Amino acid sequence: GAGVSQTPSNKVTEKGKYVELRCDPISGHTALYWYRQSLGQGPEFLIYFQGTGAADDSGLPNDRFFAVRPEGSVSTLKIQRTERGDSAVYLCASSLANSYEQYFGPGTRLTVT
Amino acid sequence: AQSVTQPDIHITVSEGASLELRCNYSYGATPYLFWYVQSPGQGLQLLLKYFSGDTLVQGIKGFEAEFKRSQSSFNLRKPSVHWSDAAEYFCAVVFGGYQKVTFGTGTKLQVIP
Repeated sequence: GAGVSQTPSNKVTEKGKYVELRCDPISGHTALYWYRQSLGQGPEFLIYFQGTGAADDSGLPNDRFFAVRPEGSVSTLKIQRTERGDSAVYLCASSLANSYEQYFGPGTRLTVT
Repeated sequence: AQSVTQPDIHITVSEGASLELRCNYSYGATPYLFWYVQSPGQGLQLLLKYFSGDTLVQGIKGFEAEFKRSQSSFNLRKPSVHWSDAAEYFCAVVFGGYQKVTFGTGTKLQVIP
């Protein structure tokens, strides 16, 4: 079946602009996760949804970052007033409810110039 | 503090040689343990996982890992490496009560003919 998909695959934006990154989880997966992977590092947790609600947003670095999942399926990660330090690969993963086995998408590479 | 460490940033092995990648964690109990592989341009793929039970776990692509409670380790092994195994490998941990995954910094594997 179809895996986790993320769009766009690449996004280049200017400092100060607003960006939206989209994640389409595996059908039937109620849990959805966002991670950020900087160059040479492992992925870092940002936020976790169970259904429509954010169950854990402790990894969001500041209030410029926000994520939604209004219908419990597709999620959008929103970054306001982007900074060069936001440049990274943003990974999305999904899993069945209460499963620790997460399936990752290919990521969106964000470059802030 | 809860943490996961991969002490080797980069490892080079000859094709056909055996491989061991190290992973250590710091936690007061046994976490859930995972190994992921990330090839260039690919998403993270789960190789294997340990939750409980038999401490030697088998995964995909001929990989195995052994959980050693006394050493707080979960090392990944493969008896004979193939050129296609060249990739970055991440040890990952879920600490009790949380759904998010904490990743190590990764070990980049180079395979030489």
